[in-house]
Amino acid sequence: GQNIDQPTEMTATEGAIVQINCTYQTSGFNGLFWYQQHAGEAPTFLSYNVLDGLEEKGRFSSFLSRSKGYSYLLLKELQMKDSASYLCAVRDQGSGNTPLVFGKGTRLSVIA
Amino acid sequence: NAGVTQTPKFRILKIGQSMTLQCTQDMNHNYMYWYRQDPGMGLKLIYYSVGAGITDKGEVPNGYNVSRSTTEDFPLRLELAAPSQTSVYFCASISSGTGAEQYFGPGTRLTVT
Repeated sequence: GQNIDQPTEMTATEGAIVQINCTYQTSGFNGLFWYQQHAGEAPTFLSYNVLDGLEEKGRFSSFLSRSKGYSYLLLKELQMKDSASYLCAVRDQGSGNTPLVFGKGTRLSVIA
Repeated sequence: NAGVTQTPKFRILKIGQSMTLQCTQDMNHNYMYWYRQDPGMGLKLIYYSVGAGITDKGEVPNGYNVSRSTTEDFPLRLELAAPSQTSVYFCASISSGTGAEQYFGPGTRLTVT
C-alpha cells in the first residue's frame, strides 16, 4: 500500500526557521515533491527530490533520504505570506508521469 | 498562455443531478489529472489521462466519468450527484519528463445538497 505522513498543523514565528517533515511508505519510489497551497487556491510547485540530499531554492530547501523514507521542507526567514498548507507527494513507480500520491498536508501558521 | 483553466468556479447541485466540470490546458501537455480535495485532506486522484483517447482510473473513480477526445480538454462528468461528492475539484497537467512540475487549475468548488 501507500502511506504518506506529515504533521497536521504547525505554528512558527515570523523571521524564524521551520522544518516540515514527511515520511512515506510506497511500493516503489520515483521522486518526491513539495507543493504550497494557500487557502482557497490551487497547489503550486515548490521542490522536487529524486536523489538523497538537500535541494536549495532561495528561502526554501528540501531534503530526501530514500533509505529512511523521509523528507523535510525547510523554510527560512519566515514571512506572513508563508502561512499556507504544504503538501508532500510521492511518485511511487513507473514512468516520469505516473500520478502522484499526496499526503494530507501540513497547515503552517506564521505569527508575528 | 492561460495555463490550466477550469469552469465553473462554483456550483451547487441537487442530489441526482448531473454536470460536467470542464478543464482545458494550452501548454500541449499530454498528461492530465483530476483530483478532489476534501476539507483538511490531501488530494485524491479520480482519473487521469496520458494522451488523447486514453484514460485510467485513479484512487476514487466511483461516481465519475471522463473523456479525452483532444489534447487540450479533459472534462469530468458526474452522472448522479451525491452529497459525498461535495468537494473541491482540481484539474492538473504535466509535460513529459521525470520531475516535471504539475500545473494545477484554479479549482471548482462543488456542493451537492
